[in-house]
Amino acid sequence: QKEVEQNSGPLSVPEGAIASLNCTYSDRGSQSFFWYRQYSGKSPELIMFIYSNGDKEDGRFTAQLNKASQYVSLLIRDSQPSDSATYLCAVNPNSGGSNYKLTFGKGTLLTVNP
Amino acid sequence: DAGVIQSPRHEVTEMGQEVTLRCKPISGHNSLFWYRQTMMRGLELLIYFNNNVPIDDSGMPEDRFSAKMPNASFSTLKIQPSEPRDSAVYFCASSFTLSGAPNGYTFGSGTRLTVV
Repeated sequence: QKEVEQNSGPLSVPEGAIASLNCTYSDRGSQSFFWYRQYSGKSPELIMFIYSNGDKEDGRFTAQLNKASQYVSLLIRDSQPSDSATYLCAVNPNSGGSNYKLTFGKGTLLTVNP
Repeated sequence: DAGVIQSPRHEVTEMGQEVTLRCKPISGHNSLFWYRQTMMRGLELLIYFNNNVPIDDSGMPEDRFSAKMPNASFSTLKIQPSEPRDSAVYFCASSFTLSGAPNGYTFGSGTRLTVV
């Protein structure tokens, strides 16, 4: 069973719209959740992380976490063509301890059309 | 800060040859991770080190793969002998972690490996 699931897309939105990216995970004990952006041919770069249920905002980005539903999402407001990339959801599958590995979803390709 | 430095950026080798990938983590980071990325399987964790000690190598595909971290500023991933199915982009990442929740990683630029 895949541990972290994302819709592969492509998700296409017009410039200025809100892009909504979703991720589900299988390990109910997961505590830490991360969103990465990866441009074509480049390495993943961290956008934001969330640990607690609810919303966390950083500029145009909002991460939302619902542990009961095992669901995490990323909203991008006022989408720009420069946001066009693959967005990777990553989860730390263990609760506490010294296990720091992240399990990644396969990513959702976002295209923002001018 | 120079970030995570990987070498080489590209590697083309023949099946059966030995391949060594290199990584220099960010100074002060105490955790280092090796990932492999393919279209089919996405990003897969191969192995990670904490304070230079291998913690989890369950993702290493088979005995052909080995990794070392002789000191805090250098790690290698070796494939011997290489096979065409090893073709992928190999990323090294590092982070600073204390007990408790992990921090996000910083990735290197990756090594694109092609085995023909």
